[in-house]
Amino acid sequence: AQSVTQLDSQVPVFEEAPVELRCNYSSSVSVYLFWYVQYPNQGLQLLLKYLSGSTLVKGINGFEAEFNKSQTSFHLRKPSVHISDTAEYFCAVRPSGGSYIPTFGRGTSLIVHP
Amino acid sequence: SQTIHQWPATLVQPVGSPLSLECTVEGTSNPNLYWYRQAAGRGLQLLFYSIGIDQISSEVPQNLSASRPQDRQFILSSKKLLLSDSGFYLCAWMAGTGRGTYEQYFGPGTRLTVT
Repeated sequence: AQSVTQLDSQVPVFEEAPVELRCNYSSSVSVYLFWYVQYPNQGLQLLLKYLSGSTLVKGINGFEAEFNKSQTSFHLRKPSVHISDTAEYFCAVRPSGGSYIPTFGRGTSLIVHP
Repeated sequence: SQTIHQWPATLVQPVGSPLSLECTVEGTSNPNLYWYRQAAGRGLQLLFYSIGIDQISSEVPQNLSASRPQDRQFILSSKKLLLSDSGFYLCAWMAGTGRGTYEQYFGPGTRLTVT
């Protein structure tokens, strides 16, 4: 079984500041890793994913994440946030071998202040 | 390209009334389908998933049920709603194993308020 821990339930930050949203996971098998964003009253949208290869992955809207296997982490970063980045962010993992059931973290609310 | 639809977008129902939420996917075949619920201020709770027509697994025992009468149609139902059924319901799809995509795609959601 897998588990995902998003260490911060809420992250306030000022516009144009950098931000890091933390995600740690636990799994006994290899996993795929994902970050999704959810704007108010909308469905989730994929930001980026790690399947294999380079541990630094770039996604939409200027976000990037780094897979660290030894620390079982997949932290999301953006060098300069905008007001429009205010949203809920979810980290998710899925076993790479056949399972089609992802495990989601509880989400981190990013609040960007002007 | 693929799209996913959910309706209705919002719903207000009294306790004890029935429920039917519908989800349809376009542009793909034999997708894996999922129903999730988000209670206020909480994360995603997987309710049901389906790997094919009439192949549905329940993750949480409750008064909800799901059906998949067609390949790209997924329906969430209840015979008698409870107050605790209030929440934001999300449908999602994922390509089947070996078909080259790995992530889920989510619908716009249905906001259900049970009064």
